[in-house]
Amino acid sequence: GAGVSQSPSNKVTEKGKDVELRCDPISGHTALYWYRQSLGQGLEFLIYFQGNSAPDKSGLPSDRFSAERTGGSVSTLTIQRTQQEDSAVYLCASRGWGFYNEQFFGPGTRLTVL
Amino acid sequence: SQQGEEDPQALSIQEGENATMNCSYKTSINNLQWYRQNSGRGLVHLILIRSNEREKHSGRLRVTLDTSKKSSSLLITASRAADTASYFCATDPNNAGNMLTFGGGTRLMVKP
Repeated sequence: GAGVSQSPSNKVTEKGKDVELRCDPISGHTALYWYRQSLGQGLEFLIYFQGNSAPDKSGLPSDRFSAERTGGSVSTLTIQRTQQEDSAVYLCASRGWGFYNEQFFGPGTRLTVL
Repeated sequence: SQQGEEDPQALSIQEGENATMNCSYKTSINNLQWYRQNSGRGLVHLILIRSNEREKHSGRLRVTLDTSKKSSSLLITASRAADTASYFCATDPNNAGNMLTFGGGTRLMVKP
């Protein structure tokens, strides 16, 4: 089937506005991850969902960031009161069940906060 | 600091040459994975090597793992301009089979 999709592909917003980023994982994948990547840098883990378990939010940089995953499928990452330092590419990945399974990444959302 | 750190940070070679990238990590692992990223977008999984494996091949890719030194290498043989990308190693910091921590990546440029 289709891979991981993310929308929008690009988002430009003004400082102080809220934004919502969407991720559609691969059907049947129980695990979903959000990462952030600043220009020329590695991936910074934000949050991880596994099935119906409570998400691992240990990577969220501040309480302005939140995410939910409805029905064990689609996930939305919300950034409130955006700041310029939030500008980055936000990547979503999903993973099937299994100890050695790889993560499948979406194309990312490039967020620019003016 | 990051669990996986790649070396070098940037590498420029001519088409046809081999490219070697290294990754060091800190904690014990059950597997190590290499990913490729084009133009700052989504990552693509290249190869996974388990902790009980020492070497693995996939096409022009060769990965080695030395758990005693906590290091891995990715070799791309007979490189092509299309191999130009950033390459990341990823490890599971909790050894639980669910999380991955990515290094800062090696930016490879292959000149035609």
